[in-house]
This record gives sequence, structure tokens and C-alpha cells, in this order.
Amino acid sequence: SQTIHQWPATLVQPVGSPLSLECTVEGTSNPNLYWYRQAAGRGLQLLFYSVGIGQISSEVPQNLSASRPQDRQFILSSKKLLLSDSGFYLCARSYGPGYTFGSGTRLTVV
Amino acid sequence: AQTVTQSQPEMSVQEAETVTLSCTYDTSESDYYLFWYKQPPSRQMILVIRQEAYKQQNATENRFSVNFQKAAKSFSLKISDSQLGDAAMYFCAYASPNTGNQFYFGTGTSLTVIP
Repeated sequence: SQTIHQWPATLVQPVGSPLSLECTVEGTSNPNLYWYRQAAGRGLQLLFYSVGIGQISSEVPQNLSASRPQDRQFILSSKKLLLSDSGFYLCARSYGPGYTFGSGTRLTVV
Repeated sequence: AQTVTQSQPEMSVQEAETVTLSCTYDTSESDYYLFWYKQPPSRQMILVIRQEAYKQQNATENRFSVNFQKAAKSFSLKISDSQLGDAAMYFCAYASPNTGNQFYFGTGTSLTVIP
């Protein structure tokens, strides 16, 4: 199983508050993990990817950060949320020549 | 850099009819994969079909098939006998083992199925 667990499913946070979204994966060890954001009516934007513990690559400089404290755990964080951080966040893992996606978190910053 | 282009933001099709969604990509790699993902209102990303670039034969999955034109860098999705459940956002995606299988997505096509 290459299942991805992502939570929470829905989150409403005030501007300026911190954020922590967690993604955990099952299956083969040392997976490549990814965080994507999808703004309303838009495509998927790659935010971060990780090829191993402590290894994070950022694709888009912004108000967010990512960490990988354990092999199967990938966390997306922010110290102070902005209105523009609202969107749908998807965690994914590469599995051979394919991706498995989590069920996503819908974040609304108010 | 790899880019994936979906030039049709929205498409519609009558139930039971056939529709084709377009996708083009740009790459200098010779070894890569192409995908179509479906995202229904639940927002879950669902793999529809996958094509390996080294295979000349077009991939087929039940009512879904692709027209893969490697020289033209075109990868269209044909949905036959469209059903109401096919209504969703469809994303074309590219990945190459030479770039760590990182995915590059198009901007998506919103498909409406008319009863």
C-alpha cells in the first residue's frame, strides 16, 4: 500500500496565525514527497519536495516552509498565515513513474 | 524546463458522446511518462491513464484512451460514451526519471457532462 494520510481535511485560520499540516505515508521507505497547492479554479503549484529526512527543496519562495522529521512524515508550516495562503493543499508521493495523492486539506484564511 | 499546456480551460460533452481533451508538453528528455488525472468535486486526484514515452502504442483504460504523438509532443485524452460521473477537472501531467520523477502539471480542463 502506498496510502497517504493527510489531515486535517478542512481548516479555517485567522490571518497571522500559525499553520501545521501533516502528511504521513505508508509503503516503501525513503519515498519522494511533495506538497502542492491548488488555488481556486487553478492548477497545481509545486511548493516543496523532499527526497529524504531533513532534505527539503523549495520551488516557490513564500510564506510557507516544510520539514521532514521522519522518513514517512512531511509537514507544511507557516509562522503567520496570509490571506493569499488560502487554497487546497495536496501531499503526494512518487511511486515508480507515478504519483499517489493524499485527500488534501482545504485551508481558508480569514 | 518542462512545461505542460492545456489550452482548453473548459469543455462540455453530451452524455454518451465522445470528447477529446488536449495537452501538449515541452521537454528535451527522451525517457518520460505522461498522465491524465481526474479531480472530481471531492478534490481527490485520481489517475485516469498513463503513457510511457518509449511505447508507441496508445494507452487505453476502458472508455479512456490517449492519442500520443511523440514527435509533436501531444498527448490528448479521449473519453468515449461520456457519463455524468466523468464531470471533473482533468489534469495532464509529465514526469521523467531524469528529473527525479517530479511531476509537472497543466492548468487543467474543466469537463461538464450534459444529461
